[in-house]
Amino acid sequence: AQTVTQSQPEMSVQEAETVTLSCTYDTSESDYYLFWYKQPPSRQMILVIRQEAYKQQNATENRFSVNFQKAAKSFSLKISDSQLGDAAMYFCAYRSPMEYGNKLVFGAGTILRVKS
Amino acid sequence: EAQVTQNPRYLITVTGKKLTVTCSQNMNHEYMSWYRQDPGLGLRQIYYSMNVEVTDKGDVPEGYKVSRKEKRNFPLILESPSPNQTSLYFCASSRRPSANYEQYFGPGTRLTVT
Repeated sequence: AQTVTQSQPEMSVQEAETVTLSCTYDTSESDYYLFWYKQPPSRQMILVIRQEAYKQQNATENRFSVNFQKAAKSFSLKISDSQLGDAAMYFCAYRSPMEYGNKLVFGAGTILRVKS
Repeated sequence: EAQVTQNPRYLITVTGKKLTVTCSQNMNHEYMSWYRQDPGLGLRQIYYSMNVEVTDKGDVPEGYKVSRKEKRNFPLILESPSPNQTSLYFCASSRRPSANYEQYFGPGTRLTVT
């Protein structure tokens, strides 16, 4: 079974600076999907960015980008020009294309605090 | 507006009192899931459904039941809740599995079992 590990329970960043959240995963599959979700205090789960394993190019969405290292099974999230609204819990998630249940396997999450 | 709704948003109940958390989506999605979120564990899938009358267990199904009689609805049933089912619950829906098809999450239901 696949597992996802987020080794940083909490991170802090100064407003306007850059922060990187770490995620590693364990799988024997060669094709899969990776995601970062944001959960603000409202508890809503918001998709931030997604990456397909067969794509070598790292995904970017405005101030959010990933560093996808397939061989190392690493999928970190970089947030540039951090804003107060970025403060949230961030979850890394894995999905196998072989899973019938469309299941997302989540890491434990990283709380991001943004200081003004 | 495309959305997944859950009710209730908050629920406090006592051990053994049957309860149902409703989930409804208006996007005609085939796939629906229930997850629970616990500190230090992230979200874990409880049950999923691939279409009407097709459901199956996820990773943590013990103590839960589901049904899918209509495409839009996927209720979660706790026949005899216990304190270890105190958690934050999310319903999610999507079209067939693909990275291009986003999973839409409901707003969450905070359940406390005393």
